[in-house]
Amino acid sequence: GDSVTQMEGPVTLSEEAFLTINCTYTATGYPSLFWYVQYPGEGLQLLLKATKADDKGSNKGFEATYRKETTSFHLEKGSVQVSDSAVYFCALGHDKIIFGKGTRLHILP
Amino acid sequence: GAVVSQHPSRVICKSGTSVKIECRSLDFQATTMFWYRQFPKKSLMLMATSNEGSKATYEQGVEKDKFLINHASLTLSTLTVTSAHPEDSSFYICSARDRETGTVRDTQYFGPGTRLTVL
Repeated sequence: GDSVTQMEGPVTLSEEAFLTINCTYTATGYPSLFWYVQYPGEGLQLLLKATKADDKGSNKGFEATYRKETTSFHLEKGSVQVSDSAVYFCALGHDKIIFGKGTRLHILP
Repeated sequence: GAVVSQHPSRVICKSGTSVKIECRSLDFQATTMFWYRQFPKKSLMLMATSNEGSKATYEQGVEKDKFLINHASLTLSTLTVTSAHPEDSSFYICSARDRETGTVRDTQYFGPGTRLTVL
């Protein structure tokens, strides 16, 4: 069945560092791909999405490109901030959304 | 953005009792709502898909008689954990799909979650 694999955390970086969180998927057909973020004490929020191959989703300085050839949707940000500390979930969707296990990100000032 | 609320945010109950969790879409109509369970340090597990006016569709391994789902209106779905046991303790999250857009390629909006502790 469909599945999402993302790098295990926690990931700890210093402020202004470059961030990459890897995500690969297995799916039939052409699902939409998502990154969700869960800030401490809050619910899930959609960070960005891409609906077809080669699409790039972007929001709040984060980017991810739908790579069909490598079945990947890696999340990147050029310069992270302390406020980016959260848990990040990669996900894919056909009729319903399937989530990865989440990656906890700690940004140190 | 669209808002989904859950009530209560936290509940503690005794083993054997039933607990109802509400999920409401506050500023849009949702023909479809989803219920997830999140275990510590693990991903969200989809429990069931709730469609307004019809029976919920449960994922494999989820007991429908234990986790009763009702979606009586376009803005409200409820999850009732019946005869709760300590192993049911978890974080339950709902999401709602905007009726106007309707497909999974559009955004699902998530509630803040309900922490259930069964003693």
